[in-house]
Amino acid sequence: AQKVTQAQTEISVVEKEDVTLDCVYETRDTTYYLFWYKQPPSGELVFLIRRNSFDEQNEISGRYSWNFQKSTSSFNFTITASQVVDSAVYFCALSEGEYSGGGADGLTFGKGTHLIIQP
Amino acid sequence: SQTIHQWPATLVQPVGSPLSLECTVEGTSNPNLYWYRQAAGRGLQLLFYSVGIGQISSEVPQNLSASRPQDRQFILSSKKLLLSDSGFYLCAWGLDGPGYEQYFGPGTRLTVT
Repeated sequence: AQKVTQAQTEISVVEKEDVTLDCVYETRDTTYYLFWYKQPPSGELVFLIRRNSFDEQNEISGRYSWNFQKSTSSFNFTITASQVVDSAVYFCALSEGEYSGGGADGLTFGKGTHLIIQP
Repeated sequence: SQTIHQWPATLVQPVGSPLSLECTVEGTSNPNLYWYRQAAGRGLQLLFYSVGIGQISSEVPQNLSASRPQDRQFILSSKKLLLSDSGFYLCAWGLDGPGYEQYFGPGTRLTVT
């Protein structure tokens, strides 16, 4: 069975600090996909990134970067020079597998990390 | 571009009353559709998904049901609400095939009193 663990329940940092959100996953499939979502106070989940299990290159998008390491089953998310607008709950999620021709399982989410950026 | 709508935004219902939450998607055809519930302000739980009209798969046995009467319409229902049905309900759509991301609606906050 697949599982996503976000051990950090809440992180509080001062604005402009760098912060890393941890994500550890479990899966028996060799093909899988990892995601990060942001949930601001309004509640709507915002898609940030998707990675597949065959692409271990790190990704950078502005102040955001992601580090995917299959050896440790981790997909960590770093925000550089954090800003108050980054305050939100961040979810890591996992989707397994090969295309089954009609199945469409949903994403397995971690419990989320509540990030608080203090001014 | 694609847009996903949910209504109502908030709902307060007494125990034992019926429920109907609606989700519609614009700008795409034959999407996969999903209902999630987020309880106690945290983790999302997949409730139902649908790959086409009339095709519903349930992930968790419970007091709820789902229907897809049209290609881009997904409805979550209950005949009699329980206190434990309170939560934040999110509808999402995604393309068919493995690994596609899902896009979420604004959600419905349901309080059962």
